[in-house]
Amino acid sequence: GQNIDQPTEMTATEGAIVQINCTYQTSGFNGLFWYQQHAGEAPTFLSYNVLDGLEEKGRFSSFLSRSKGYSYLLLKELQMKDSASYLCAVRDGDYKLSFGAGTTVTVRA
Amino acid sequence: TAGITQAPTSQILAAGRSMTLRCTQDMRHNAMYWYRQDLGLGLRLIHYSNTAGTTGKGEVPDGYSVSRANTDDFPLTLASAVPSQTSVYFCASGSTGGPDTQYFGPGTRLTVL
Repeated sequence: GQNIDQPTEMTATEGAIVQINCTYQTSGFNGLFWYQQHAGEAPTFLSYNVLDGLEEKGRFSSFLSRSKGYSYLLLKELQMKDSASYLCAVRDGDYKLSFGAGTTVTVRA
Repeated sequence: TAGITQAPTSQILAAGRSMTLRCTQDMRHNAMYWYRQDLGLGLRLIHYSNTAGTTGKGEVPDGYSVSRANTDDFPLTLASAVPSQTSVYFCASGSTGGPDTQYFGPGTRLTVL
């Protein structure tokens, strides 16, 4: 199985940078995903890492270290619309995802 | 393109009654999944299917059953609902292999009284 930990809440100011950490212990690793979920809506895909290193997609970047069981999601130039829950998920060899409980990010003006 | 649809959007159900949550995808994904999402616990996998005709148990399968008669549909049945099954249920689909992610339906909010 998977054990995935991420902080419960984070608060940041509009225009700032926030880093959401995720640590995992896994019995099989086949990729790490980050999803964004606004209140009352479905999760939507943000990023995917399967090899060590940084993946950049516009204002969002995600980093993976497989040896440390560690990932982070970096949100730059925060906007009010970035207020949401961010979910870290690890995929196993059978293509099933295990999710962390999610990190609620609140962006303040 | 519709993507993934779920029905109903929400439902209030009396304990002991049965109910089927419907899920349909039009992306020809081979794999489909059912999750429940509860406050503080995140998304937990109930059942999954990697291809039509096969299903598997996830983390919390008790009290639920699924079938996968074809590629597009993956209904979730609660045979005799209990209050602890009050939750938001998300269906997802994806292609196994490579970096493909899972795509989520809009969810069904179920309240069991």
